[in-house]
Amino acid sequence: SQQGEEDPQALSIQEGENATMNCSYKTSINNLQWYRQNSGRGLVHLILIRSNEREKHSGRLRVTLDTSKKSSSLLITASRAADTASYFCATDGGGGSNYKLTFGKGTLLTVNP
Amino acid sequence: SQTIHQWPATLVQPVGSPLSLECTVEGTSNPNLYWYRQAAGRGLQLLFYSVGIGQISSEVPQNLSASRPQDRQFILSSKKLLLSDSGFYLCAWRRSGGAGELFFGEGSRLTVL
Repeated sequence: SQQGEEDPQALSIQEGENATMNCSYKTSINNLQWYRQNSGRGLVHLILIRSNEREKHSGRLRVTLDTSKKSSSLLITASRAADTASYFCATDGGGGSNYKLTFGKGTLLTVNP
Repeated sequence: SQTIHQWPATLVQPVGSPLSLECTVEGTSNPNLYWYRQAAGRGLQLLFYSVGIGQISSEVPQNLSASRPQDRQFILSSKKLLLSDSGFYLCAWRRSGGAGELFFGEGSRLTVL
């Protein structure tokens, strides 16, 4: 079963705007990760936030984690056309397993030039 | 540096034919290895993972199987493909211990006709 659920399923914005994607999950986690996938390609890791962290930054990316609400958000600031991709959250350590990473269905982000 | 190779990139197979997808990792030892499947417009479904040679954990009952004959080689197989086996198959690895990011291959697109 899929642990994370991203929202919205699709997002279309103009270049320069910020993009916010949300992820909700159901069970306890060790960490939560965000990945990016260009069409027809493999996934690329963006950022990892541990369960005892509340916010993390990496370049134009900002991730928050609220374990009380079992939710996370990914903010991409000053978006570019090259940011067009699908974005997935993945939870680690849910269901008692330390080896499995469970992915959501993703948010398709389109950045229009 | 570590690299992951996955092949073939695309495959068109008739129903009932066998399947073999191969994945190898270079530049690391004793990785955790994963096979995911991605249906069109959907998230990633974990099929198999392995924490060592000959150790395979299956997540979803199906007509697929996985093997790990060498430390850095992971093979996905089927004796008789079904139409429902069509999809985008992704191999991934991460460092032993179970935590941390996944590194993905470029994927294998399988179409069963």
